[in-house]
Amino acid sequence: EAQVTQNPRYLITVTGKKLTVTCSQNMNHEYMSWYRQDPGLGLRQIYYSMNVEVTDKGDVPEGYKVSRKEKRNFPLILESPSPNQTSLYFCASSGQANEKLFFGSGTQLSVL
Amino acid sequence: GQQVMQIPQYQHVQEGEDFTTYCNSSTTLSNIQWYKQRPGGHPVFLIQLVKSGEVKKQKRLTFQFGEAKKNSSLHITATQTTDVGTYFCAGESGTSYGKLTFGQGTILTVHP
Repeated sequence: EAQVTQNPRYLITVTGKKLTVTCSQNMNHEYMSWYRQDPGLGLRQIYYSMNVEVTDKGDVPEGYKVSRKEKRNFPLILESPSPNQTSLYFCASSGQANEKLFFGSGTQLSVL
Repeated sequence: GQQVMQIPQYQHVQEGEDFTTYCNSSTTLSNIQWYKQRPGGHPVFLIQLVKSGEVKKQKRLTFQFGEAKKNSSLHITATQTTDVGTYFCAGESGTSYGKLTFGQGTILTVHP
């Protein structure tokens, strides 16, 4: 089944403790991206990747890192999480940029 | 940077009434996409509009892309309880390939 898989689904952590949210797609998509969703603000793009080893900043990249070493994986790294990074995070992929996005199920992150 | 404003933020309707949500971009878009997110779910692609003045229909849903490619609308005729959810537009400008900006979303509630 074609899908985007994010893990974990829920995560509670403390300020400053490094964490990684994984994202994997099995559709051989070139384009992958990360979004955070906050009430009243919609989905805001954090980082995106057009292909392996190519990543670019979205609208809210501060405090986040990504890597794209393999086509299928696009992990989101928070090296020193802060409470303002408490949010619902979505990974998404598409065949190419500006094609329809397939979203993962989301990761609800709470930073205490 | 590019901004996409979406209104209204909330809409409550009685089942059978019509519903419209509007998106306005601060820049000319190369394309606009629409997504639906059910409560507790992830965004699911509905449609993409590319051409100036384009109108597309999916059963009771009608999507329009403005002549200047800076605004778009989604209209639902005779809403049903299954239409409940948040509707997002997402636009990409011609100068920022891969960088997708979402509107804040319209939360639709349908009362039976």
